[in-house]
Amino acid sequence: DADVTQTPRNRITKTGKRIMLECSQTKGHDRMYWYRQDPGLGLRLIYYSFDVKDINKGEISDGYSVSRQAQAKFSLSLESAIPNQTALYFCATSEKQPFEEQFFGPGTRLTVL
Amino acid sequence: EDQVTQSPEALRLQEGESSSLNCSYTVSGLRGLFWYRQDPGKGPEFLFTLYSAGEEKEKERLKATLTKKESFLHITAPKPEDSATYLCAVPGYSSASKIIFGSGTRLSIRP
Repeated sequence: DADVTQTPRNRITKTGKRIMLECSQTKGHDRMYWYRQDPGLGLRLIYYSFDVKDINKGEISDGYSVSRQAQAKFSLSLESAIPNQTALYFCATSEKQPFEEQFFGPGTRLTVL
Repeated sequence: EDQVTQSPEALRLQEGESSSLNCSYTVSGLRGLFWYRQDPGKGPEFLFTLYSAGEEKEKERLKATLTKKESFLHITAPKPEDSATYLCAVPGYSSASKIIFGSGTRLSIRP
């Protein structure tokens, strides 16, 4: 079984809809992250959490929210999706120093029409 | 402003043809530089962490090196299975740039 799983893997939705992307991990790591990847722009940090009670905004948090339901679960929500949120979304975990040696999930490809 | 730039954007090599990928960075006080490999349709896979100038790390045909301004990922006698996009990243200091990823080098190895 994969250590970091993301659901759904692909999603097509319409402008204005609420969308939740889910991430689960079996690595036992406290630190979890959400990124988006766009062609030519690299990975950009949306939110991160260093433990269940800790939530922090990243570089591009506007239009997104997160929930850390447990050590193993970290969900990303788009309250009202817009077309420029079409991207590949990755969840990641790490054990060591913040942002070091991250383990990434397989990604969710989101298309907002 | 913290910044990471990777070059070239794409590199095509013949199997066995060695080369290097570049990652240049501007950040106040380096706290580590990370290399990842990303295959199409998958999440990045961690390769190396380098902490200080002069440090080197090796894994199979890959060797990462670090100076005060840039890092190189040297690939020796590559094989087609080394084809992937290689990403580098550095931790930033501002609240807006906690981790900065380069846009990657897309490496293609022809048999």
